[in-house]
Amino acid sequence: DADVTQTPRNRITKTGKRIMLECSQTKGHDRMYWYRQDPGLGLRLIYYSFDVKDINKGEISDGYSVSRQAQAKFSLSLESAIPNQTALYFCATSDSSGTGKVEQYFGPGTRLTVT
Amino acid sequence: GNSVTQMEGPVTLSEEAFLTINCTYTATGYPSLFWYVQYPGEGLQLLLKATKADDKGSNKGFEATYRKETTSFHLEKGSVQVSDSAVYFCALSETGAGSYQLTFGKGTKLSVIP
Repeated sequence: DADVTQTPRNRITKTGKRIMLECSQTKGHDRMYWYRQDPGLGLRLIYYSFDVKDINKGEISDGYSVSRQAQAKFSLSLESAIPNQTALYFCATSDSSGTGKVEQYFGPGTRLTVT
Repeated sequence: GNSVTQMEGPVTLSEEAFLTINCTYTATGYPSLFWYVQYPGEGLQLLLKATKADDKGSNKGFEATYRKETTSFHLEKGSVQVSDSAVYFCALSETGAGSYQLTFGKGTKLSVIP
């Protein structure tokens, strides 16, 4: 079973709709991240969380919100989706302890299309 | 701020050809450097890493050496296979207080033809 899972894997929604993307991990990591990937732009950080009570904005947080329901769960919401939020969204985790603390582990991604 | 610049693709090679994907970086401190690979339809996987100057990361026949003097971390493989077709991302992470955040390059798409 995958260590980092994302649901749904694909989603098509209409402009103005609220949508939630979910991420779960079984790695026991304390840190979780949401990125979006656009063609030719690489990955950009939307939000990150160091633990359940510590949530921070990333590079491109406008139009998004997050919830860290438990150490293993981190959800990304689009309150009112717009077409330029069409992208591939990735969740990632990392462990702040130990020698591997800088590595991040990625989920399979959610492809979101806003029409 | 930090930034990563990698060669633009797409790159198309014949099987068994030599691969180089260039990556240079700008950072205020002494970052750790990474190569991630994204196979079609999948998420990113860590391919290799190096945490200090002159370190060489290696995995699956790929290598990259952390060159502080040239601020580079070029990815190489001596003989590519069709299964290496993927998008490759160079990334850096600061050490210390800023070590949570990865800064990515834009990615280089590699296609290997039989």
